[in-house]
Amino acid sequence: TQLLEQSPQFLSIQEGENLTVYCNSSSVFSSLQWYRQEPGEGPVLLVTVVTGGEVKKLKRLTFQFGDARKDSSLHITAAQPGDTGLYLCAGWVSGSARQLTFGSGTQLTVLP
Amino acid sequence: DAMVIQNPRYQVTQFGKPVTLSCSQTLNHNVMYWYQQKSSQAPKLLFHYYDKDFNNEADTPDNFQSRRPNTSFCFLDIRSPGLGDAAMYLCATSRVGGSPLHFGNGTRLTVT
Repeated sequence: TQLLEQSPQFLSIQEGENLTVYCNSSSVFSSLQWYRQEPGEGPVLLVTVVTGGEVKKLKRLTFQFGDARKDSSLHITAAQPGDTGLYLCAGWVSGSARQLTFGSGTQLTVLP
Repeated sequence: DAMVIQNPRYQVTQFGKPVTLSCSQTLNHNVMYWYQQKSSQAPKLLFHYYDKDFNNEADTPDNFQSRRPNTSFCFLDIRSPGLGDAAMYLCATSRVGGSPLHFGNGTRLTVT
C-alpha cells in the first residue's frame, strides 16, 4: 500500500491552462516537500511545508498543506512548457525522521 | 556549483559483471542516501547512512552493497547486475533526518 497517494499519475495539458496535483495520505506528516524532476536529472526541491493549513507561493506555483497535515496540493497557474517534468511529493511521517516517503509521482507534459 | 556529484552519468555493464557507482558531496551533510528509480516512477530507497550508521531497507536485494569511507563519499556496489537492475541510481544527502534532500543528477545504469 502506497503511504502517499499522488494523483493524477499522468497529465498532459496545453500551455496556458491551470492544473492541480494532489498528494493524500492517512498518515500525519511532520513536513511535506515537493520536488520536480526533469528527464535525466535528479529531483530538485521546490518547497517544504510544515504547518497545517500553510500556503506557499513560488511564482505561478501554489502549494498547500492540509490542516491535518495528511495531504497537500500543488496548483500551477498558466502552465508553460518549461513546467514539464515529474512532480514528486514526499513527506517525513510524524515521529519518524528515518525515511522520506515519496508519492508515486505525476508526470506533467505542457504542450506549446 | 554542483553540491552532490555522481559519477559516472552513464554506466554500461554486462550481465553479472560487478559495477560501482560513486557519489560525493560538498555540503558536509550527515545523511547520504541511495535510491533506485525506474522510468517515471518515484525513487525507491535502497539504503542510507546516518554518519557511519548504515541502514538497509528490508526489500533491498543482497546484490546491492554500499560503502561510506568518509563524510564526503558514498559508493553503491552491485555485485552481479541483472537486467532488472537497469535504472537511474540517485544519490541524495540531507543535513539530518527530516531535512530536505539534495539530489545528484544520477547515474543511468544499462545492463547488457
